[in-house]
Amino acid sequence: GDSVTQMEGPVTLSEEAFLTINCTYTATGYPSLFWYVQYPGEGLQLLLKATKADDKGSNKGFEATYRKETTSFHLEKGSVQVSDSAVYFCALKGFGTGGFKTIFGAGTRLFVKA
Amino acid sequence: DGGITQSPKYLFRKEGQNVTLSCEQNLNHDAMYWYRQDPGQGLRLIYYSQIVNDFQKGDIAEGYSVSREKKESFPLTVTSAQKNPTAFYLCASTTQGRGGTDTQYFGPGTRLTVL
Repeated sequence: GDSVTQMEGPVTLSEEAFLTINCTYTATGYPSLFWYVQYPGEGLQLLLKATKADDKGSNKGFEATYRKETTSFHLEKGSVQVSDSAVYFCALKGFGTGGFKTIFGAGTRLFVKA
Repeated sequence: DGGITQSPKYLFRKEGQNVTLSCEQNLNHDAMYWYRQDPGQGLRLIYYSQIVNDFQKGDIAEGYSVSREKKESFPLTVTSAQKNPTAFYLCASTTQGRGGTDTQYFGPGTRLTVL
């Protein structure tokens, strides 16, 4: 079945460092890919998404490119801030599980130090 | 403002008691979902509903029950049959159920603790 694998955390960076969180997926057909962010004690919120191969999603300085050839959707940011400290989830939605489910990775916790 | 509300934010239950978690949305979404989140883990799907008066089991439905009598409401009951109910519960909704590129909108969550 469909699945998402993302790098284990926690990831600890200093402010203004470059961020990469790796995400790879297994899916039938052509799923949509998402990054969600969860701040402490809150629900998840969409950070960015891409719906077809070679699309780049971007928001708040974060970017991710849908790479079908490597089945990847890595999250990047050029200069992180303390306020970016959160848990980041890679996710996909496609027809491999009947099309109704969003499949989430385990999440990667990011700590940014001032 | 449109959104999803969950209540209560914190809930304490004694072993052997059933408890119901509320989820309400005013986004006019057709599909609604319940997830369970344990510390350091991803989200696991409990139940989902694509339309009023219809719902399906997710990956970990045992010990849980739901109803969908109104489009805007999708309450989750944690029964005494659930062996380890202490967790963070998240409700979500989307405009489209099947396929689609739509985003899931999440509520703020309910943290359930069994004493």
